Parts: sequence; C-alpha cells; structure tokens
Amino acid sequence: DQQVKQNSPSLSVQEGRISILNCDYTNSMFDYFLWYKKYPAEGPTFLISISSIKDKNEDGRFTVFLNKSAKHLSLHIVPSQPGDSAVYFCAASLSGGSNYKLTFGKGTLLTVNP
Amino acid sequence: EAGVAQSPRYKIIEKRQSVAFWCNPISGHATLYWYQQILGQGPKLLIQFQNNGVVDDSQLPKDRFSAERLKGVDSTLKIQPAKLEDSAVYLCASSLGWGRGTEAFFGQGTRLTVV
Repeated sequence: DQQVKQNSPSLSVQEGRISILNCDYTNSMFDYFLWYKKYPAEGPTFLISISSIKDKNEDGRFTVFLNKSAKHLSLHIVPSQPGDSAVYFCAASLSGGSNYKLTFGKGTLLTVNP
Repeated sequence: EAGVAQSPRYKIIEKRQSVAFWCNPISGHATLYWYQQILGQGPKLLIQFQNNGVVDDSQLPKDRFSAERLKGVDSTLKIQPAKLEDSAVYLCASSLGWGRGTEAFFGQGTRLTVV
C-alpha cells in the first residue's frame, strides 16, 4: 500500500520554463511534507518543506503548494535550469512523539534541456 | 561541516553471505536513520535511532538484518544471510532532533549487489 504517490516517473522541460512535479498521498494524518532532490550516486538532499497548516511555501525558485482537501502537493521550479536535472522525491511524515518517520514516493526524474 | 559518511560505497556479495555497512552521522546529530532504496522505489525506513536507543524498527527484517549504534554516534547495519532481494542502496541519514521541521541529511549510500 503506497501512501505517497508520484505518478509521473519522468518530466522533461526546457530551460527557463516552469517545472511542476506532483505528489499525492492517501494518509490524511500526514501533516508535514518535504521534497528531496537526488543526483546520481549521491544521497537525497533536502530541498523544501511545508506544514499542513500552510498551503504554500516559497524558497527562491522553488515553491511548494499543498491542497489538503485533495491530498495533493506540487513543487514548482521557476525558472528551470539544467542543474535542476535530478530525481525529486516527495516525502510525508506524521507528527507526534519521537517517531519522525518519512514515507517517500517513488520519485520523478526531471530533465531540464538547455 | 562534514556530512554523513558511509562505507563502503559499493559491495558485491553472493547470496547467503553476510555484509556490514558503517555510518558516521553529522557531529551532534542525535537521530540516525537507515533507509533501503530498491531500484525504482523511494527510500524505505529500516530503523531509526535516537541517541543509542531504537525508536522504530518496524520495517526491519529482523530475521536477517540487525543494526546497532554504540555510544550514540556511529552505526552499523548488518545483513546475515543476504538474499537476492536485498540488492539495493542503503542510505544512512541523521538529524539534529526529531519531529517535523527537522530535516534529515543523507549520506551517499552503499550500493549492495547480491548475486
């Protein structure tokens, strides 16, 4: 049972355009969401996060939107750059106690073409 | 600031053999995680330590996997005996504390191939 779903295995965009990566979740108890970026042969690196009490969080070229009623979040990258080419993982967690367990999606491979 | 260190980077073993991975978290990070990432999947948490105590090992196949974190710093993950389906990248991560808002920092991972 996959609780965090990234239904697009890959996405290709032109440099300078917007990249939109989508993520859906099934567990309504999730209340904190993160995006990680992963280059080949490296570990995932934290990119941006959002709490369930917000619907938008922005950090430079990266913006995450959360739609709790639809159990959907998206990552917008504007403008996209070739260096953004990587696998992007959506992750979700439950608050409470010391069990900060991240549940990851399968990832979306973003390719930004020059 | 040094990141999370893992070794070895790559390991090839035959099925039924044993293997061990080592992780050194970021200095001062109390929480340490081991994740398994099978090709085409997202990372899956195997075990989480808070200092040297286990917080969550619900997804650790305890009949063959074991992990320890002595003195609340370094950690080792062992597989004995290995199966073909254990082929994956094993990622170690650490965080300053726990709870939401505390992002985890990952090491480069150990790619295990079981033949």
